[in-house]
Amino acid sequence: QKEVEQNSGPLSVPEGAIASLNCTYSDRGSQSFFWYRQYSGKSPELIMFIYSNGDKEDGRFTAQLNKASQYVSLLIRDSQPSDSATYLCAVKGTSYDKVIFGPGTSLSVIP
Amino acid sequence: SAVISQKPSRDICQRGTSLTIQCQVDSQVTMMFWYRQQPGQSLTLIATANQGSEATYESGFVIDKFPISRPNLTFSTLTVSNMSPEDSSIYLCSAWGTGGTDTQYFGPGTRLTVL
Repeated sequence: QKEVEQNSGPLSVPEGAIASLNCTYSDRGSQSFFWYRQYSGKSPELIMFIYSNGDKEDGRFTAQLNKASQYVSLLIRDSQPSDSATYLCAVKGTSYDKVIFGPGTSLSVIP
Repeated sequence: SAVISQKPSRDICQRGTSLTIQCQVDSQVTMMFWYRQQPGQSLTLIATANQGSEATYESGFVIDKFPISRPNLTFSTLTVSNMSPEDSSIYLCSAWGTGGTDTQYFGPGTRLTVL
């Protein structure tokens, strides 16, 4: 059973702080890793993907991947109230394997 | 990327009836998926919609309850049959993006309430 786990929320951070979201996965053959943001009542929106070990930065977002530890994280710098949402970690194996979603972490950024 | 639309956006249905949800992608895509998301929960994959063959269902989901069609590379339907209040949920269509990417995009969802 392939599993993806995320730190249980809700996570609250003050505006301007760094929010750290963590995800672990069980399948060592996983190749692709994604972070989705989902606002209440909306569908998931892709915000980051990462394939290689190390860091990948996009604006205020940084994804970090450590395949040896089977760990992927998302850092949000200078958190804004508009970042308040549920963040879903997703993991995929080979190109035609399905994506496994984690349970999500709810983030609340307090003004 | 892929732009995905769904119809209807929401519906309220009576127990025992069926509802068909339509999903349209703005470009030809290889893989299309149907998910269910119950309030406060993560995404649960119902099935993979295969073009030209039967859908591949996940454990706990069966074709008689959730028949799926995929007549071409841009369109799919999901039917929720013989509905009960337990089927009240958001149903999401999803597809891989084009251009060789394996990133997955989602439609806006269909919010279903069964009375």
